Amino acid sequence: GAVVSQHPSRVICKSGTSVKIECRSLDFQATTMFWYRQFPKQSLMLMATSNEGSKATYEQGVEKDKFLINHASLTLSTLTVTSAHPEDSSFYICSASYGHLGYNEQFFGPGTRLTVL
Amino acid sequence: GDSVTQMEGPVTLSEEAFLTINCTYTATGYPSLFWYVQYPGEGLQLLLKATKADDKGSNKGFEATYRKETTSFHLEKGSVQVSDSAVYFCALTFEGGSAGGTSYGKLTFGQGTILTVHP
Repeated sequence: GAVVSQHPSRVICKSGTSVKIECRSLDFQATTMFWYRQFPKQSLMLMATSNEGSKATYEQGVEKDKFLINHASLTLSTLTVTSAHPEDSSFYICSASYGHLGYNEQFFGPGTRLTVL
Repeated sequence: GDSVTQMEGPVTLSEEAFLTINCTYTATGYPSLFWYVQYPGEGLQLLLKATKADDKGSNKGFEATYRKETTSFHLEKGSVQVSDSAVYFCALTFEGGSAGGTSYGKLTFGQGTILTVHP
């Protein structure tokens, strides 16, 4: 149980285009979804936290207009990288949790490798 | 702010060798501590956790003890297998509150340690 999928697993796009990444909880309803970015040989850095039906909360230094997050339902969150540039190339990982009291275990997707040419 | 530091990798071992991956943390308050594992092509999975000082988390032969006095949570396994080859992440969070920049429910990760086990 508690499976999270991401689509696509890998995407290559041209500079200036927008890319959408989907994160789905397959067998549970996720009250909260998290988006992380991982650079090579570095840690996961939290970009934003989103709760279903409300606006995402972005971490300091993350551009809201650049990384659009939509948590439209309890099983789907999307991250759109707008007007992507080569410096946006990275590994993007989502996670999902359920419940509201205390810390709730996060279940992670397999990640999406974005390459911007 | 809060931070987690792991030993630099990669770590390469022979099968049945003893494994230690060091993890230390800096935090204001008393966080919960975790080890996550990421197998090739898969998402991170929770390996074990400990929520208070002197707690020992264990799973699949791996162990880690929450040491408040040394702010450490080192991962150990007595005899590794080829199937243990993966990336291991140490992490912390605060349950039910916030402190030092790591808020309720948010995970702060170390940089990850690549483990490769040879037959």
